[in-house]
Formats: sequence, structure tokens, C-alpha cells
Amino acid sequence: EAQVTQNPRYLITVTGKKLTVTCSQNMNHEYMSWYRQDPGLGLRQIYYSMNVEVTDKGDVPEGYKVSRKEKRNFPLILESPSPNQTSLYFCASARGPTNEKLFFGSGTQLSVL
Amino acid sequence: DQQVKQNSPSLSVQEGRISILNCDYTNSMFDYFLWYKKYPAEGPTFLISISSIKDKNEDGRFTVFLNKSAKHLSLHIVPSQPGDSAVYFCAASASNQFYFGTGTSLTVIP
Repeated sequence: EAQVTQNPRYLITVTGKKLTVTCSQNMNHEYMSWYRQDPGLGLRQIYYSMNVEVTDKGDVPEGYKVSRKEKRNFPLILESPSPNQTSLYFCASARGPTNEKLFFGSGTQLSVL
Repeated sequence: DQQVKQNSPSLSVQEGRISILNCDYTNSMFDYFLWYKKYPAEGPTFLISISSIKDKNEDGRFTVFLNKSAKHLSLHIVPSQPGDSAVYFCAASASNQFYFGTGTSLTVIP
């Protein structure tokens, strides 16, 4: 089954404790991206990747890192989480960034205390 | 600054009637537009899309209209069904990025 898999689904952590949210897709997609969803703000793009070793900032990249060492994986790293990063996070992938639809994972609800 | 706007946070419609969800955008470089549907505790799922070279695209009960001069798109659902109750996001893409609206919560009343 074609899918985007995120883990974990729920995560509670404390300020400053590094964490990683994993994302994997099995569709051989070149394009992958991360979004956060906040009330009243919709989905905002954090980072995206056009292919292996090619990543770029989205609209809200501050406090986040990503890596794309393999085509299927695109982890989101919070080196020193803060309470304002409490949010619902989605990973997505697409065949490409142009005229293609995004496939989304099920989401990761992160709470930073 | 929000480049894609959905000004109606919520909409209620009777079953069998038409649902019309609206979306406005500001960036004239957007060349591809999409609608997504989201249920609680799930990721958004793709509904329908339209290229900027078209003004209408249909898929079953769903039709998307694009008015480039007004920088406006709309999603029509006919007939509306209770299972259509969800949050709908419009999105637009340009320069390798996707931009989403804030969503409209649709409730279809049986």
C-alpha cells in the first residue's frame, strides 16, 4: 500500500530535550516536506526536499533541522524544543513539486512542556 | 503573510444540497491549486486539483472552479453527503513550495 509513515503519533517532551520525528514513504517520491498545523494558521511549510541531499527552508524553519540521506526518509529534528513548537506535524511526499499532489502522513502531535 | 486565504471557518449544509467552499490567493505566480479533506486524527487527503491553464475541473461530485483574474477558487460538492463532513483545505503551489489556507469546517446535516 502506498503510504507516508510518521512516527511517533504522539510525543510529550520537555524544553531543550532533542527529539526526532521520522518520516518514510514507499512511493519512490522525489519531493518530501514537513508542515505544522496550528489553530487559525492552517498548514505551514517548515522544510522541503527536492531529492537526496537537497533540502530547503519553507516558511517557518526556525528551530528545526532536516536531512535527506536516502530517498525514502526525511526526518524532522528539533535540537532544542521550546513550548512554541507544540503543534501537529505532518510529513508529505510527491513525485515532484510541480503539478503534483502531496500525500500526507497521519500526523505527529507534539507537546513541549 | 497568508498567501492563501479561506475566510469562512465553518459551513453547514443540508444533505443533498450543494456545498460551496471558497478560497482566495494573493500570489499571481501560483500555477497549481489543490483541495484537501481532513478528518480528525488523520492526515489531509487529496480531493481534486486544477492547473492554472484551466478554469474548471470535475471529479464525480466534486468540481473546482478557478478565476485567475479574481485570484479565487471554489470547491463545489453536489450533492452533499454526511460523510463529507470534514475540514477542507485549499492549497496552491509555486517555486517548489505548497501554501495552504486555514481550512473550512464543513458540516453536512442529515
